[in-house]
Amino acid sequence: QSALTQPRSVSGSPGQSVTISCTGTISDVGGYNYVSWYQHHPGKAPKLMIYDVSKRPSGVPDRFSGSKSGNTASLTISGLQAEDEADYYCCSYAGSHSLLFGIGTKVTVL
Amino acid sequence: EVQLVESGGGLVQPGGSLRLSCAASGFTFSSYWMSWVRQAPGKGLEWVANIKQDGGEKNYVDSVNGRFTVSRDNAKNSLYLQMNSLRAEDTAVYYCARVFGPRHFEYWGQGTLVTVSS
Repeated sequence: QSALTQPRSVSGSPGQSVTISCTGTISDVGGYNYVSWYQHHPGKAPKLMIYDVSKRPSGVPDRFSGSKSGNTASLTISGLQAEDEADYYCCSYAGSHSLLFGIGTKVTVL
Repeated sequence: EVQLVESGGGLVQPGGSLRLSCAASGFTFSSYWMSWVRQAPGKGLEWVANIKQDGGEKNYVDSVNGRFTVSRDNAKNSLYLQMNSLRAEDTAVYYCARVFGPRHFEYWGQGTLVTVSS
């Protein structure tokens, strides 16, 4: 299976909002409500930010929100902060207990 | 506190083998699916394999199926990845992760680097 499609990069000024899209197919994103998002600072362990499309783990700021429409999921970061600068990956359940990641999006805080 | 610590990475020649380990602590290891995820240099994350709580079900990405074997020892709170017939394209940082479902990765280790080169 091919990786889910994400924009290579997005950017915004502190306090602004940015949205990252994640496009798949009916076999993954569109077929299950099991999309998750991960923040990855290079050299560190990835961190779960959103699961089951729109749920936030304990400790994740409510500035992070997720949604899905059809075969496309989205992560929105509101009130952008300097520490949000990182790579972000979406991931979807793809059937038969397999998981599929997106290509990753670099978020830059201007 | 959940901790996952990978070990066993290193430099190996093409066609060679390597065994990665992941030591888990801070949770009931035998109650969770576990996974391996990798990141090649300059590339994105890629799910590699997962294993059910009792080891009775294992799943692999197509590119490693038949070459890699995931296993676990619940008595030792440890996860393993036996990698055979290694190729240059297997060069990556390999992460161990606790999985819910398996639907999403709840916790991750810091990763161990595997380099396949002559």
